Amino acid sequence: EVQLVDSGGGLVQPGGSLRLSCAASGFTFSSYAMNWVRQAPGKGLEWISYISSTYEIWYADSVQGRFTISRDNAKNSLYLQMNSLRDEDTAVYYCVRDQAWAFDMWGQGTKVTVSS
Amino acid sequence: QSALTQPASVTGSPGQSITISCTGTNSDAGSYDRVSWYQQHPGKVPKVMIYGVNKRPSGVSNRFSGSKFGNTASLTISGLQAEDEADYYCCTYAGSGTYWVFGGGTKLTVL
Repeated sequence: EVQLVDSGGGLVQPGGSLRLSCAASGFTFSSYAMNWVRQAPGKGLEWISYISSTYEIWYADSVQGRFTISRDNAKNSLYLQMNSLRDEDTAVYYCVRDQAWAFDMWGQGTKVTVSS
Repeated sequence: QSALTQPASVTGSPGQSITISCTGTNSDAGSYDRVSWYQQHPGKVPKVMIYGVNKRPSGVSNRFSGSKFGNTASLTISGLQAEDEADYYCCTYAGSGTYWVFGGGTKLTVL
């Protein structure tokens, strides 16, 4: 089955760290660019990071310097290391595949809550 | 990174057609034919409905169509059905430095 499975979310205090993971299956993971997109409670979608199949990396200004995207093609996995977390980082985080300049496949999302 | 501008809500009746607009700038929507649209039902994962301004992924109804004129992209849904009631988001690639930008979302209500 072609799917993305997100994991690693949870409750963390402001200033803390969390590492999200995304396990891909059913397609040639190494051939695709991947992204992280988040959605704060009751709010819209926000793109936050991208990694190409050749490891080119982009970040949104809102997470630049605090978040690090990475991938392990041998494990068919995408990661997001989140440091210096803030209240406004509270959201559902989606792992998303990039195809033809669109987000064609989404993970089920993992919830991150930043609160003291 | 400024969001694309969408109407907060749109309402239509079954069988009618509606259009959702998505307005950007010369730097994003106006510069690239990389506009996509996503449908999200409450509590569900977003689903791509249109990509490349006007292309439909396999399995998406031909009642959904996309277009772009200048800095404004549009999603048209014809023959509205109750199942179309959802939030809709536009998105575009906005070039180096900004990368991807989403619209604020439009809530479609089918009366």
